[in-house]
Amino acid sequence: KAGVTQTPRYLIKTRGQQVTLSCSPISGHRSVSWYQQTPGQGLQFLFEYFSETQRNKGNFPGRFSGRQFSNSRSEMNVSTLELGDSALYLCASSLTSGGAETQYFGPGTRLLVL
Amino acid sequence: AQSVTQLGSHVSVSEGALVLLRCNYSSSVPPYLFWYVQYPNQGLQLLLKYTTGATLVKGINGFEAEFKKSETSFHLTKPSAHMSDAAEYFCAVMNQGGKLIFGQGTELSVKP
Repeated sequence: KAGVTQTPRYLIKTRGQQVTLSCSPISGHRSVSWYQQTPGQGLQFLFEYFSETQRNKGNFPGRFSGRQFSNSRSEMNVSTLELGDSALYLCASSLTSGGAETQYFGPGTRLLVL
Repeated sequence: AQSVTQLGSHVSVSEGALVLLRCNYSSSVPPYLFWYVQYPNQGLQLLLKYTTGATLVKGINGFEAEFKKSETSFHLTKPSAHMSDAAEYFCAVMNQGGKLIFGQGTELSVKP
């Protein structure tokens, strides 16, 4: 089975722009979670989608949004980019939501905001 | 609220020596605990997880961890370090809603 794929792998944007990141989960997985990783804050949960519905949301401003499509692929959007949004954005998929489901991570999208 | 503390942001061992990475958690409910490893410029790879049952959990690459409820700990060990074990290791607890809460990570260096 193919793993979790994320596109693009690297991205450079300037302040004020917006960006969309994509995540394709493992085939059959219906839950997709997004995490932000920075040297200062570590790994922080952004949100989780299950069957096209947002189930959980972390403590991020409304500039961060996401959605999930009927094929379970997910996109994350960040509007009005700030320098502090520079990070590695990781997507993880799991078969279902909640419980002790293992989350399998993609390689991440590294975003640099100039 | 659940939280995870990893003692030591950087651990250095010699090749062949014991690896011990410490993780303590706080949780008001029985926890689901995970260890992930991250190699440079890569995503996270699951090493092992504890849900219920046996408290000694064996994972990939010779790693294992023991859940100790009385100590609220889930330390990761490997009897003999290999150069390829050099990476960053993250301990995480999963909350009831399926959200992973990570520790700050421990960077493991292995000296020849």
